[in-house]
Amino acid sequence: EIVLTQSPDFQSVTPKEKVTITCRASQSIGSSLHWYQQKPDQSPKLLIKYASQSISGVPSRFSGSGSGTDFTLTINSLEAEDAAAYYCHQSSSLPFTFGGGTKVEIK
Amino acid sequence: QVQLVQSGAEVKKPGASVKVSCKASGYTFTSYGISWVRQAPGQGLEWMGWISAYNGNTNYAQKLQGRVTMTTDTSTSTAYMELRSLRSDDTAVYYCARPHCSSTSCSFFDPWGQGTLVTVSS
Repeated sequence: EIVLTQSPDFQSVTPKEKVTITCRASQSIGSSLHWYQQKPDQSPKLLIKYASQSISGVPSRFSGSGSGTDFTLTINSLEAEDAAAYYCHQSSSLPFTFGGGTKVEIK
Repeated sequence: QVQLVQSGAEVKKPGASVKVSCKASGYTFTSYGISWVRQAPGQGLEWMGWISAYNGNTNYAQKLQGRVTMTTDTSTSTAYMELRSLRSDDTAVYYCARPHCSSTSCSFFDPWGQGTLVTVSS
């Protein structure tokens, strides 16, 4: 089973700051890495697919990068509505797995 | 628009079974599969398994093998997840989600259902 390790677990950020969340895979997964945003009491929502591909309707301040074992989700110029938990997910091999999540709080 | 609507919250006693439904609309149901993901209170996301709505093939997480069954009803575009021999640590919100699949593999999940809270308590 591929283990995804996210860091940090929690981040408290001022609006307009830049946020960087990392996701490390226990073995190479190519670009089969996707990012989701989950706001309180809501379902997860797809943010980025295949490590760096944007999703229609997702603000351009969200971007992803990486391949192999190391991946990054970047939120440029954080807005108050971005307060949420963020999860990475690998689809390289079964069983599919998720990272432990990163909670982003707005200061 | 593409939408997955799940059944309502359930309260079950330990040892009982629960069956959660997920009704799809806005797309050709048999062209995709359905994955199930659960989230214990205050915890992260756990993939439970997948079913093809085309041919009914399934793949379950090893830790749930023998307790979980995923099915579909193509006449109503509805997927079901049944979990048996419930324990307190099965208390969670259960989500269905549509995986995007090629002929050989599946990838990201989009969209997700609204979630179904299953509480297991004596």
